[in-house]
Order: sequence, then C-alpha cells, then structure tokens
Amino acid sequence: EVHLVESGGGLVQPGGSLRLSCAASGFTFSSSWMNWVRQAPGKGLEWVANIGPDGSEKNYVGSVKGRFTVSRDNAKNSLYLQMKSLRAEDTAVYYCVRDRAYCSGDSCYSVFDYWGQGTLVTVSS
Amino acid sequence: AIQMTQSPSSLSASVGDRVTITCRASQGIGKELSWHQQKPGEAPKLLIYAASTLQSGVPSRFSGSGSGAVFTLTISSLQPEDFASYFCLLDAGYPFTFGGGTRVEIK
Repeated sequence: EVHLVESGGGLVQPGGSLRLSCAASGFTFSSSWMNWVRQAPGKGLEWVANIGPDGSEKNYVGSVKGRFTVSRDNAKNSLYLQMKSLRAEDTAVYYCVRDRAYCSGDSCYSVFDYWGQGTLVTVSS
Repeated sequence: AIQMTQSPSSLSASVGDRVTITCRASQGIGKELSWHQQKPGEAPKLLIYAASTLQSGVPSRFSGSGSGAVFTLTISSLQPEDFASYFCLLDAGYPFTFGGGTRVEIK
C-alpha cells in the first residue's frame, strides 16, 4: 500500500526558513516523479514544484523560484522541500504527491494518484 | 502560462441529480487534464486523468470529457458521499495549474 507522510511544518517568522520532508513507502520511489502542492487556508490548490526520478530535473511555480528547493534521497525514499525567505502568503498545507506519469502513443500525462495528508506551514510574526 | 477557469465556483444539488463542472484553458491543449475530489479536512483524491480516463476504484458515475480548451466532469447521479470540492489540474507544460475549484453542496 502506498503511503506518503509529510513532516516538518510549523510556525515560522517572515523571512525564515523551513524544511519539509515526505517519507514514501509502498512503491518504487526511485522511479517516480514527485510533486509538492499547497493549499492556503480556505483556498484552492496550487502546484509548487516537482522533481524527476533521479533528481536531475526540477520545476517550480514562479512565486517560489529562487526561494524554494525541491530535492530527494532515493536511498531513503524521501522527498524534501527547503523553503527560505518565507512570506505570509506561503502559509498553507503542503502536500507531497506522487505522479505515476501515464503515456499513450506520443502523449504523456501526469497522474497525481497518491497524496499525503499534508503538513501545515504558518508564516507569521 | 496557461490559465484555467473553472465554473461554477459552487453549486447546490440534490441526491440523484446530474452535475456538470467545466474547466476552460486559455489556449488549446491536448488531453493533459485531470480531476480531483477533496472533502473537508482530507487530502485530494484523483478521479479522472488524461481528460477522460477513470482512475481505478472510482465509481462509474464519474466521467470526464473534452479536449482542446474545454473540459467537463460529470457526475451522472449525485450520491451523498459526492458532496465535496472538485478541482481540475492542467499538466500541459509548466507550471502545472489547478482550476479555482467547485464546491458541491446539498440543496
């Protein structure tokens, strides 16, 4: 059974840093694209970043570029999100999400099939 | 970046009703769109991917259609457990973009 368990959330002051972790189990982590998605309180979902299976490819939403870094340790089946220069608008529940990437013919599609329960990050003084 | 407009933002419906939710992309794409359901206090759950492929274990009353710029999620006969929020996700290039969400409430 697939499990994704996030940790590392908490209260941090504006301008501060925080590192989120996601422990994965029940699937071949080293073969999977992984994502971070966030949800501000009472708001919709926002894709934050993803990372390829070997860690060489990374992509970010514009609002976090240069401040957030996604990484992974395949030996530990773990995904990370290092967050720096945090702002009030980064306050959200952060979800770790597996993408099993489905391909048909010449087209490939993202399949966000497993989500963790999320960890809350609150940026406030 | 491609923008996604999801409508309606909320709707009220009764058990047994047919419900349709729409996502419109600001430019034409292929079928790089998925639908997710979220209940209060829970993580989202995948319903449909590649615009129309039903995720394993999801009831057949859920269906997705569309390509190009307009996509729809249809619930053929609303059940009590379907009262939730629904989001579309566009994965045609970066950044991936979620629609604003549709809250389905009990009439």
